[in-house]
Amino acid sequence: EAGVTQFPSHSVIEKGQTVTLRCDPISGHDNLYWYRRVMGKEIKFLLHFVKESKQDESGMPNNRFLAERTGGTYSTLKVQPAELEDSGVYFCASSQDLVRSGSPLHFGNGTRLTVT
Amino acid sequence: RKEVEQDPGPFNVPEGATVAFNCTYSNSASQSFFWYRQDCRKEPKLLMSVYSSGNEDGRFTAQLNRASQYISLLIRDSKLSDSATYLCLEGNNRLAFGKGNQVVVIP
Repeated sequence: EAGVTQFPSHSVIEKGQTVTLRCDPISGHDNLYWYRRVMGKEIKFLLHFVKESKQDESGMPNNRFLAERTGGTYSTLKVQPAELEDSGVYFCASSQDLVRSGSPLHFGNGTRLTVT
Repeated sequence: RKEVEQDPGPFNVPEGATVAFNCTYSNSASQSFFWYRQDCRKEPKLLMSVYSSGNEDGRFTAQLNRASQYISLLIRDSKLSDSATYLCLEGNNRLAFGKGNQVVVIP
């Protein structure tokens, strides 16, 4: 079974540019999550999709971040325009059922974003 | 109070020794908890789920203390390969992670 895959693995962009991150969850996993780890800080929840619907987007930092999951399969996270403080590692995770019901998260390798 | 709190350490452990650490949570209604292992610059990997009755997987034992609102992880007979950061995940609402407990196993 293929795991969660993320693309690209690294991205270096200039302040003001746009970047789009992609996540392919484990096949059959309706729940998809985005997290971010900024240097020296804990992993922070960004948002949660159930199929194509946003279940919880309370962790999204501001309106420069836009996540989509059209068709309920892969998801994209777009940052536009990027700022220096957006640098960090963006992780995607998926789960078969809701985590609160005991279904664990499975993480992708992450995308390391550097904004210069 | 933060949703999930962990003492970042580091916990320096002689090879072969036992190490244990806790993760406290603030939401008394939380029902599901997990321990993850994260190696430097890698993604978190599931180590084990935490069941209310406690559970063991080889050298690893996880416990849940609802009264005091914490979960614990105990590693017996520590190996050099156990060196990593151990993250707890509280599976309610915003799926909060702690900062992690850094374990360094010393030869």
